[in-house]
Amino acid sequence: KQEVTQIPAALSVPEGENLVLNCSFTDSAIYNLQWFRQDPGKGLTSLLLIQSSQREQTSGRLNASLDKSSGRSTLYIAASQPGDSATYLCAANYRGNNRLAFGKGNQVVVIP
Amino acid sequence: EPEVTQTPSHQVTQMGQEVILRCVPISNHLYFYWYRQILGQKVEFLVSFYNNEISEKSEIFDDQFSVERPDGSNFTLKIRSTKLEDSAMYFCASSEGPSYNEQFFGPGTRLTVL
Repeated sequence: KQEVTQIPAALSVPEGENLVLNCSFTDSAIYNLQWFRQDPGKGLTSLLLIQSSQREQTSGRLNASLDKSSGRSTLYIAASQPGDSATYLCAANYRGNNRLAFGKGNQVVVIP
Repeated sequence: EPEVTQTPSHQVTQMGQEVILRCVPISNHLYFYWYRQILGQKVEFLVSFYNNEISEKSEIFDDQFSVERPDGSNFTLKIRSTKLEDSAMYFCASSEGPSYNEQFFGPGTRLTVL
């Protein structure tokens, strides 16, 4: 079964600390992996997209890595700020279909 | 910056009623999707749509659901006879192409079935 897992479900960090969020996927046959941010009761904001041929993508303070062989992606947020408090979702686009399979998310609180 | 829009933002309906959720995808996108998120659960895929027909659907997308692109801009999800368990946030998404393309999501419609 093509599943996506995110652990831990929730974490708190002091402001300024680097955030490391992990995502695991069960099947290495993916087209790409996408990271999203979701604020409470709101929609999904796309943060980064990593194609299966890429090892990492960067956007500002965000960096996402992809290791297909181990079925893992990691989202790094440098120098966290209270405004980074949100739920971060990863979603895998598995080969053979045209849908995103989501993890349940990492709920992050950055403490001022 | 182009974005996906959805209306209404919140819909309350009685069990058994029909609802239509509306989406305007990004204008040059060709692939359209509906997902839903029940409170506290994962975002789940419902259906994808391309070239005026369903290209893929999940087991959730049964006969109670239908999708339509009635004109050149709107993309709708209809639930024929709503059930309590249909209460969820429904997200529309669009992409330029299939599979390896980035999907862009709308802000969602919160559906509450009483």
